[in-house]
Amino acid sequence: EAGVVQSPRYKIIEKKQPVAFWCNPISGHNTLYWYLQNLGQGPELLIRYENEEAVDDSQLPKDRFSAERLKGVDSTLKIQPAELGDSAVYLCASRKGQGSTEAFFGQGTRLTVV
Amino acid sequence: DQQVKQNSPSLSVQEGRISILNCDYTNSMFDYFLWYKKYPAEGPTFLISISSIKDKNEDGRFTVFLNKSAKHLSLHIVPSQPGDSAVYFCAAVRGSQGNLIFGKGTKLSVKP
Repeated sequence: EAGVVQSPRYKIIEKKQPVAFWCNPISGHNTLYWYLQNLGQGPELLIRYENEEAVDDSQLPKDRFSAERLKGVDSTLKIQPAELGDSAVYLCASRKGQGSTEAFFGQGTRLTVV
Repeated sequence: DQQVKQNSPSLSVQEGRISILNCDYTNSMFDYFLWYKKYPAEGPTFLISISSIKDKNEDGRFTVFLNKSAKHLSLHIVPSQPGDSAVYFCAAVRGSQGNLIFGKGTKLSVKP
């Protein structure tokens, strides 16, 4: 079974530029998360999807961040415009759904804003 | 306010000995607790979990203990191996479909 796939692995952009991250969850997993991880910190939730519905986006900075999960499968997270403080690792995770508590993570996208 | 706390940023253990990683939480409504292991440049990998109705769960060399009255859980690794060297994250979730809330992690170094 393939794991959670994220791309790109690394991205370097100048501040004020847009950037997008892509995630393909494990097949059949209804729940999809985007997490942000800063150096020396644990992952922090940005948004959670149940199928195609964003059920928790309370931590997503909506002035510059947006996300979508078309057809309840792949998801894209976008930042526009990027700021220096957005430099971090962006992690995507998926979970099967009812009765399953563990989430499986992708390798993450390391973003550097210069 | 951090709901899940890992107060030890790092831990060093000799190969073959026991590693004990600790985690405290503040929200008594959490239903499940999970441990993840993370190597550099990789995403977190699920290790073991425990339901709040249990006080122990064991999987091979890994055992998680839960003390609900103290709002404390610990991960025991016996015997520790150099390949266990990684950052370990404690996470908690409310309900079976809630958000995972993570601690800041503990970096474990197992020395040969």
